[in-house]
Order: sequence, then C-alpha cells, then structure tokens
Amino acid sequence: EADIYQTPRYLVIGTGKKITLECSQTMGHDKMYWYQQDPGMELHLIHYSYGVNSTEKGDLSSESTVSRIRTEHFPLTLESARPSHTSQYLCASSEYGTGPGNTIYFGEGSWLTVV
Amino acid sequence: GNSVTQMEGPVTLSEEAFLTINCTYTATGYPSLFWYVQYPGEGLQLLLKATKADDKGSNKGFEATYRKETTSFHLEKGSVQVSDSAVYFCALSSFYGGSQGNLIFGKGTKLSVKP
Repeated sequence: EADIYQTPRYLVIGTGKKITLECSQTMGHDKMYWYQQDPGMELHLIHYSYGVNSTEKGDLSSESTVSRIRTEHFPLTLESARPSHTSQYLCASSEYGTGPGNTIYFGEGSWLTVV
Repeated sequence: GNSVTQMEGPVTLSEEAFLTINCTYTATGYPSLFWYVQYPGEGLQLLLKATKADDKGSNKGFEATYRKETTSFHLEKGSVQVSDSAVYFCALSSFYGGSQGNLIFGKGTKLSVKP
C-alpha cells in the first residue's frame, strides 16, 4: 500500500477563491506528479517534479501552479478558481533514475467542485 | 509521440465470465507497460506491469503479456468477480519520444460485473 496522502478529499468552493491541494508522501520518492481526471475518466498530466526546487509543466496546460520546497511535499495551487477547474486531481510519486519501469504510486485524489 | 489505445467501454459481464481488455501502444524505444485499476471513489492502484518484451505481468488472477511484435498488452482474467468492477487503465512509460519517463495513459475502460 502506497504512503501518499492528499487533502482535502472533497471540496466545494466559490468562483474566484484561492485553493491549495496538499500532497505528501513518506516513501522518500524524488519524482512527484499531479494528474487531472475529467468526468470521462481520462487522465492528463498537468505538473511534475524531479526533486526539490524542480517543477515542470505536463502535457495538459493548466492554470494551477506547484511548488517543491521539501522532498515529501508537492502542493498544487489555484489562485482564482473557476467552474472549469471542477475535476478530480490525483497526486502521485515514484523513484527516479533507475529506468521507466518504476511503479508510480497514487494518492486517493481530491475532488474539487467550483460553484 | 508515445500513445496508448485501449478498448472503449463500458464492458458489462456476468460473474465468472472471461475478461479481455485490449490495449495497443505506439512508442519510441522500449517502453515499460502497466495496467492500473481505479475502484469507485479511489485513486489508481498498480495492477501489474511488464518492463520488456515477452514479459508477463500477473496479479489477483489478472494477466497481460508484453507483445512487441503486435505492440500490445491485453489484460485478461479467466473468471471475473463482482469485486472486479472498476475502471482499468493501460499505460506506458518511456524516456524516449518526449515522455520524460512519465506515464502515458489510455482513456480507461469501465468494467461492471453482475452477479
């Protein structure tokens, strides 16, 4: 079982509010990810990080931002939420550097609804 | 670029039926291949993986064989149970083709098993 935690699990907020989704892992993994899952189930990589002070944009353009100040922590922030940001956000982590076969471990997800 | 195509659902089966979910891929180099499962309201869990051609991944009665000649990684289970109802995602990981070792997912196949 993976040790990766996301909070909050469920959140309903108003348009224009700032929100930070928290993600922490206790496995000492260097690489971390944020995926956005749309209602049709499809998963899109929006951000990833190779380690402390590293952040990269994923395949899907996103208005969110991320930071990686500590190895175990990879929060995602929306400065001004809009209804189009309503989605499930999945955080994940993996080891890095030993090949593409590394298992990526996922948190349970954060369901965000913007009204 | 790298991509994954899996059969669209939803798939509805009776308990103890045989399951096949087709997955094919396009990739530069030699990717690793994965099947992830997402139960309702949860994040993704690794079901099985294979890191080189002809490898067979297996777990919980599910199997998939990495077929380089047909670029396929089809998921099979001989006798499904109601508890197997979930969404199944095929994915690849490669350091080539612009993927940076990140997971590239198929669109997911929803499986419902009726008693």
